[in-house]
Amino acid sequence: DTAVSQTPKYLVTQMGNDKSIKCEQNLGHDTMYWYKQDSKKFLKIMFSYNNKELIINETVPNRFSPKSPDKAHLNLHINSLELGDSAVYFCASRGRTNYGYTFGSGTRLTVV
Amino acid sequence: GNSVTQMEGPVTLSEEAFLTINCTYTATGYPSLFWYVQYPGEGLQLLLKATKADDKGSNKGFEATYRKETTSFHLEKGSVQVSDSAVYFCAALSYNTDKLIFGTGTRLQVFP
Repeated sequence: DTAVSQTPKYLVTQMGNDKSIKCEQNLGHDTMYWYKQDSKKFLKIMFSYNNKELIINETVPNRFSPKSPDKAHLNLHINSLELGDSAVYFCASRGRTNYGYTFGSGTRLTVV
Repeated sequence: GNSVTQMEGPVTLSEEAFLTINCTYTATGYPSLFWYVQYPGEGLQLLLKATKADDKGSNKGFEATYRKETTSFHLEKGSVQVSDSAVYFCAALSYNTDKLIFGTGTRLQVFP
């Protein structure tokens, strides 16, 4: 069973569109995250939620809006997509121990 | 703020060669340290971790020792294989910020 699953795996869309990426974890973790990986492979945290509450909100355009309906899900909605939003987006979760984060397999977003 | 610096790649080695990828960190307190690996087209997998000074993390022949005096967590493997070709990320997690901070990644290419 997949621990952290993201859908879709690939997303190609036109500039100006609105899209969502979904993430679910079945690990019973309390905290979930979104990371962005750019074309140079650099990984940067975007958001984190703990038990449905927003904890970290890095300097991210407000076109990006995370939503956590329950602690097992953290979705990312992006409005008015721009070319620079093209990247791989990773969802992750963490339990209460210091074992690091468990990552999903990523969603490759391409804006054309 | 916290940061992680790792050597730039690519690192190109022949099969069975010795591998070292350097990583140093800057953080308040004593963070937990991690190495993640990203195989081509895949997500991030936890390779190994260390949570306190002098701890040694190990997995699949890879090792890294948490050195507080040099703030380092260098990744080593005695004999690399072609299947080890991937991008390796050093990361640090400080619990006062709850952010897993990544280095820029180091691409390893192993040739037969």
